[in-house]
Amino acid sequence: DAMVIQNPRYQVTQFGKPVTLSCSQTLNHNVMYWYQQKSSQAPKLLFHYYDKDFNNEADTPDNFQSRRPNTSFCFLDIRSPGLGDAAMYLCATSQGGGYGYTFGSGTRLTVV
Amino acid sequence: ILNVEQSPQSLHVQEGDSTNFTCSFPSSNFYALHWYRWETAKSPEALFVMTLNGDEKKKGRISATLNTKEGYSYLYIKGSQPEDSATYLCAPRGGGADGLTFGKGTHLIIQP
Repeated sequence: DAMVIQNPRYQVTQFGKPVTLSCSQTLNHNVMYWYQQKSSQAPKLLFHYYDKDFNNEADTPDNFQSRRPNTSFCFLDIRSPGLGDAAMYLCATSQGGGYGYTFGSGTRLTVV
Repeated sequence: ILNVEQSPQSLHVQEGDSTNFTCSFPSSNFYALHWYRWETAKSPEALFVMTLNGDEKKKGRISATLNTKEGYSYLYIKGSQPEDSATYLCAPRGGGADGLTFGKGTHLIIQP
């Protein structure tokens, strides 16, 4: 089945140690999104790619970077994780326009 | 950034009863309204994408309505079943925006 896969499901990282979360899709969708959801809060858009075009939300910290080397893969890099970056990170894809998103199952990041 | 309100935050419903909950959003510059169901340990799943004022959509026992003039959408579940237990997220999209702004969700628990 076509899908969006996020690895790993759970990630524990040390304070200040760079960490990369990955997302892959078999849907061939143009758009890929990264959302951050902290406990009891709404998922918050960090950035998205429309094909190779990168779009950063104005309030996304510089500590968060992203790469999309090809249509299928997108990575979220956190350069120096702080305790406040512990959250669920959701990747989603879309064909754009009025189509719904297809989500991965998320990566839950713990910072120790 | 859109202000999205979902109510109630959580809801306990007896199996077999019908229920509904609300999503409020700014009515200006409206483009689309998405509803997602997010079961624990799974990926958020798209339910509906609605664009026109007065839209009504249905998927099995779940239906949704949209009022873009006053900025709200209702989600209805008829004859609730235990498998309906999930968090229901709404997400409006404004014109010119590529990403969705999510509400905090309504956490629905169906009690046998």
